[in-house]
Amino acid sequence: DIVMAQSPTFVSVTPGEKVTITCQASEGIGNYLYWYQQKPDQAPKLLIKYASQSISGVPSRFSGSGSGTDFTFTISSLETEDAATYYCQQGYEHPLTFGGGTKVEIK
Amino acid sequence: QVQLQESGPGLVKSSDTLSLTCGVSGYSIRSSNWWGWIRQPPGKGLEWIGYIYYSGLIHYNPSLKSRVTMSVDTSRNQFSLKLTSVTAVDTAVYYCAKKEDGRNPFDPWGRGILVTVSS
Repeated sequence: DIVMAQSPTFVSVTPGEKVTITCQASEGIGNYLYWYQQKPDQAPKLLIKYASQSISGVPSRFSGSGSGTDFTFTISSLETEDAATYYCQQGYEHPLTFGGGTKVEIK
Repeated sequence: QVQLQESGPGLVKSSDTLSLTCGVSGYSIRSSNWWGWIRQPPGKGLEWIGYIYYSGLIHYNPSLKSRVTMSVDTSRNQFSLKLTSVTAVDTAVYYCAKKEDGRNPFDPWGRGILVTVSS
């Protein structure tokens, strides 16, 4: 199985600051990497697909980059509504696997 | 706009079978999409269970394959999950979700349903 190592597991950030989350795949997955946001007691919501492709309706402060094994997710200027846990997921091969999640807390 | 809604018992006894249904509205389940299940134990991460095409083609997570059965009911525009011989480790929020054909993400997801396995 492809292991998705996500870091950090927790980050506390002041509104307006930049947040960077990384996801490293145990083997190459091309650009088949997706990012989701999960707020408390809600379902995950897709934010980024194919590593860097934005999703309609998602604020432009959310972005992604990378290919192969190393990926980065960035919130350029954190807003209070961004408090959530963020997950990466590889869609390259079965079984589909997720990173362990990064909880973003607002200071 | 496609919407998905999970339904089923919120409490299942240990060793019994967990049965859930996902109703799809605003979209035909006969479209070129896969219909999947993902679960999340309380306070933990996400685990892919499997997905099914309307024609019946299926992919299961090997870690659960021996206990999982998925099916589609096109007449009711819904799909289902059965997980046999459940134990406490199967306690989780179960989500259904849509995935376009190909190497695409899950989007959207249902709201999820908490299923607790009791002893």
